[in-house]
Amino acid sequence: NAGVTQTPKFQVLKTGQSMTLQCAQDMNHNSMYWYRQDPGMGLRLIYYSASEGTTDKGEVPNGYNVSRLNKREFSLRLESAAPSQTSVYFCASSEVAGGPSDTQYFGPGTRLTVL
Amino acid sequence: GDSVTQMEGPVTLSEEAFLTINCTYTATGYPSLFWYVQYPGEGLQLLLKATKADDKGSNKGFEATYRKETTSFHLEKGSVQVSDSAVYFCALSGSGYSTLTFGKGTMLLVSP
Repeated sequence: NAGVTQTPKFQVLKTGQSMTLQCAQDMNHNSMYWYRQDPGMGLRLIYYSASEGTTDKGEVPNGYNVSRLNKREFSLRLESAAPSQTSVYFCASSEVAGGPSDTQYFGPGTRLTVL
Repeated sequence: GDSVTQMEGPVTLSEEAFLTINCTYTATGYPSLFWYVQYPGEGLQLLLKATKADDKGSNKGFEATYRKETTSFHLEKGSVQVSDSAVYFCALSGSGYSTLTFGKGTMLLVSP
């Protein structure tokens, strides 16, 4: 039981390049999330998917797109990377979005640097 | 909207000292409250939670009590260890269909 896995662990991009961050969970959870973590800012929600087939914007969605490929996988795409997107990205999953059952399980993170 | 405010860090303690990390929240209705911990180089993991007023969450010697009258969920531990050095995040899940709202995190540094 691997929990939540993310690839890659580290990535360096040049401004304007694109890339996709991959996330998968093996806990049969319905909901999945993408956060970014920046010093002094805590975690900010980028996008989430409450259930397979649905996606919604979070607090900071600009510059990102997501795809809920199936119940297990939720990817985050940067179409044209900018230095402001340098951050650590975390994927998480939970049984259901919201309420007392919303215990989120986090992946190990992807450290992205945009030059 | 919902918000969580945590004390700023870093909090620096000696081993076996008493720990308190303050957390207050603003939310409508009856949120669930959480403490997550992030060890260096890792993702966040749930430390404890409480789902209704006056509930006490506890785990690994840490405790927090859901105080609706003061809208607080302070984290405490009676005797910290070097291995407790990490960043601690307070979070809430609003009533209804919503996602987690996190505080900015408090770094704890424990020296031998």
